[in-house]
Amino acid sequence: NAGVTQTPKFRVLKTGQSMTLLCAQDMNHEYMYWYRQDPGMGLRLIHYSVGEGTTAKGEVPDGYNVSRLKKQNFLLGLESAAPSQTSVYFCASSYSATGDSPLHFGNGTRLTVT
Amino acid sequence: AQSVAQPEDQVNVAEGNPLTVKCTYSVSGNPYLFWYVQYPNRGLQFLLKYITGDNLVKGSYGFEAEFNKSQTSFHLKKPSALVSDSALYFCAVRDNGAGNYQLIWGAGTKLIIKP
Repeated sequence: NAGVTQTPKFRVLKTGQSMTLLCAQDMNHEYMYWYRQDPGMGLRLIHYSVGEGTTAKGEVPDGYNVSRLKKQNFLLGLESAAPSQTSVYFCASSYSATGDSPLHFGNGTRLTVT
Repeated sequence: AQSVAQPEDQVNVAEGNPLTVKCTYSVSGNPYLFWYVQYPNRGLQFLLKYITGDNLVKGSYGFEAEFNKSQTSFHLKKPSALVSDSALYFCAVRDNGAGNYQLIWGAGTKLIIKP
């Protein structure tokens, strides 16, 4: 029972470099999310997807892009990394976005941008 | 505007004592309320939710939460704390009246249970 799997677990980038974070879920969930977690700020939604082939902006989308080419995968891209993007990134999925459907989270990717 | 407040950055409790982690919210419509727990270097795990019905909701690991509409609160409680309950706890709310199904998160409360 893998649930939500994120790769990589850790990454260090230099300013201006690019990278892609991969999220995979095996629960056949329609909805997938990317959050960033910073100390004292809780979780902030970057982008989300309501189904294969769809994406939408969340609260803090600038500097990030996403793609959902397959239902089970949700990719987060940083085209030109900045130190302000140093954070822990979490992917999550849910059966639906309505009412009572809880989120299932991956274990996170710790990204440092120098 | 929708918001969630967790007024305590940290809560310290002795093992065996009851614990409470506070959460208040502000939404325009009916709230769906959630508690999640995060252990070190792990993702968040769902603990419990309030959708409708009984104001006292029971969840995983012996936790429960009480929905109070008049005080717009959803405090997390446990009758007898364990050292293993030490973790970061997040409250979240979804405002179904606004047609926006995104979750609004509190900043988190660090719970420390001392032996």
